[in-house]
Amino acid sequence: DAGVTQSPTHLIKTRGQQVTLRCSPISGHKSVSWYQQVLGQGPQFIFQYYEKEERGRGNFPDRFSARQFPNYSSELNVNALLLGDSALYLCASSLGAGGGQPQHFGDGTRLSIL
Amino acid sequence: EDQVTQSPEALRLQEGESSSLNCSYTVSGLRGLFWYRQDPGKGPEFLFTLYSAGEEKEKERLKATLTKKESFLHITAPKPEDSATYLCAVRSQGGSEKLVFGKGMKLTVNP
Repeated sequence: DAGVTQSPTHLIKTRGQQVTLRCSPISGHKSVSWYQQVLGQGPQFIFQYYEKEERGRGNFPDRFSARQFPNYSSELNVNALLLGDSALYLCASSLGAGGGQPQHFGDGTRLSIL
Repeated sequence: EDQVTQSPEALRLQEGESSSLNCSYTVSGLRGLFWYRQDPGKGPEFLFTLYSAGEEKEKERLKATLTKKESFLHITAPKPEDSATYLCAVRSQGGSEKLVFGKGMKLTVNP
C-alpha cells in the first residue's frame, strides 16, 4: 500500500511569494496533520484536519492556512513568504481524530526561500 | 504547556555496544508517547506508541519503556543500519491529534 505522498519534493521561492504544498494520505486515513521541521529541530505542529474540519492549530501566523478535500487529501498554503519559512514541511495521516492512533509521515516538501 | 526533552542530543556507539536514549516529558494528561526514527532527507518513521506507565514494546533491537515522567529507548547490540535520528513525541488530552516533539537524538553506530 502507498504511504503518505507529498508534492512537490523540493521548492525554491523568493520572499513575498506564495506557495501551496500538497498531501495525499494513506488510503482509509481520514485525518491529516501538517508539521514544520527546521534543521536540527523536531517537527512543530501547524494544523490538523479531520473530515474537512480543522481540529487543531499550532502557534503559526495567519499567513499559514490549510484545507482538506472530500477525498481526504490536503493542501497547505503559505502567503508572504519569509526567509524563516525555509524548512521541511511534513504531512502525516492517521485513521481518525482522537485516541492514541499513530500518525504516519510522508517524506516532506523541502521549501527554500531566497 | 506540553514539553519533551531528549538526551543526549547525539550519541556515537560501536557496533554491538548497547545503550539507552532518554525522553523526559511534561504533559497535561498523556494520550500517548510516540517514538519515531528519521533518516536524512526522509520523514519520520513510526516505531512505537506507549500509553501508560509500566508499558514496554519491542521491535528487533529496540525496546521502549514508559514511566510517569520519562520514556527510554533501549538499543541492544546496535548495527550500523540503526544510525538515524530518533524522535520522541507526546499527545495530550484534547480533541486534536497534535504531537509535541523533542529535538531528536542523532545516533551513529560505527562498524
